[in-house]
Amino acid sequence: EAAVTQSPRNKVAVTGGKVTLSCNQTNNHNNMYWYRQDTGHGLRLIHYSYGAGSTEKGDIPDGYKASRPSQENFSLILELATPSQTSVYFCASGGDREGQNTLYFGAGTRLSVL
Amino acid sequence: GDKVKQSPSALSLQEGTNSALRCNFSIAATTVQWFLQNPRGSLINLFYLVPGTKENGRLKSAFDSKESYSTLHIRDAQLEDSGTYFCAASNNNNAPRFGAGTKLSVKP
Repeated sequence: EAAVTQSPRNKVAVTGGKVTLSCNQTNNHNNMYWYRQDTGHGLRLIHYSYGAGSTEKGDIPDGYKASRPSQENFSLILELATPSQTSVYFCASGGDREGQNTLYFGAGTRLSVL
Repeated sequence: GDKVKQSPSALSLQEGTNSALRCNFSIAATTVQWFLQNPRGSLINLFYLVPGTKENGRLKSAFDSKESYSTLHIRDAQLEDSGTYFCAASNNNNAPRFGAGTKLSVKP
């Protein structure tokens, strides 16, 4: 069954450390997205991609990098993690052959930066 | 958040009653999606809409692109409808932007 899988599911990091969140999709979708969810803000867009090799800045990209090495994989990288990046991070894929960009989400990664 | 505003922010319903959630856009949205985040945190896609309406069981959604809003109607609310409902809007297949959500509690 087509799916979006995130790893790790939970992560505790230290301030100043490097964190990589991974996302794999078997939907064969062109588009992939990283959002973070914080109370009162809904889901905010960090980075997204239209296909392998492409990354675009979303609304809150500062402090984050993204990498799309293949159609299936999209990573979010925190080079120097800060406590303000403590959040729940969701990856999604979208964009089927009919041009409909229905989003399918992973289960989320809960990140705590101490 | 600012481009997409949802109301109300929270709602409590008696089981078996009806209600409507609303989403207003400050962008020229061409498509809208509605999601339910269940109490376990999973995000489930309910509707993908171009201007018009769709219905699925007890849920019905409408999207008016000219007036820049969308609604989600819940009929005969059940306990399992509880959770947080999000709408997300896109302009010409740009990345979807989400509202802050409506937290729905259905009580017996």
